[in-house]
Amino acid sequence: GAVVSQHPSWVICKSGTSVKIECRSLDFQATTMFWYRQFPKQSLMLMATSNEGSKATYEQGVEKDKFLINHASLTLSTLTVTSAHPEDSSFYICSASSGHGRYTFGSGTRLTVV
Amino acid sequence: GESVGLHLPTLSVQEGDNSIINCAYSNSASDYFIWYKQESGKGPQFIIDIRSNMDKRQGQRVTVLLNKTVKHLSLQIAATQPGDSAVYFCAETYGNNRLAFGKGNQVVVIP
Repeated sequence: GAVVSQHPSWVICKSGTSVKIECRSLDFQATTMFWYRQFPKQSLMLMATSNEGSKATYEQGVEKDKFLINHASLTLSTLTVTSAHPEDSSFYICSASSGHGRYTFGSGTRLTVV
Repeated sequence: GESVGLHLPTLSVQEGDNSIINCAYSNSASDYFIWYKQESGKGPQFIIDIRSNMDKRQGQRVTVLLNKTVKHLSLQIAATQPGDSAVYFCAETYGNNRLAFGKGNQVVVIP
């Protein structure tokens, strides 16, 4: 049980375009979803926390207009990287929690902006 | 041995030996800790967790030790196998059930 599906697994986009990443909890209801960013050889950095039906809470230094997060249902959250630039290239990972102390991670999305 | 620098600290272990990975956490109020394994290009995979009211917990081939006095966690892997080669992260929960990750340790198992 507790499977999180993240799509796409990799994406290449041109500078200035927007990219949407989806995170779905397949067999449980995720009251809270988290979005992380990870650079090579580094740890996961929390970008934002989203609760179903409410606005996401962003960590300090993360631009909310740049990284749009939507958590419209208990099984789906999306992260949209708007007006992407090469410095946005990174590995983005979502995590879903049902609130019982377990966090299930997606398989990650490798974003390359050219 | 271990090396620290521009890259992740790396622990090289002979297959069959035991591995010990250490982690220092920052928040003395954290009450729940998790160890994750991350293989290249994948998301973190849960290994074992421990609550602050315990100082040791054992799983299959893994043991987590918690020392709240010095804010230190360790993960012990018994009889390390090639499939254990990965990056290992400790994580602690803080406000609003958020999860903060430590720096990570690369484990390389030598066949």
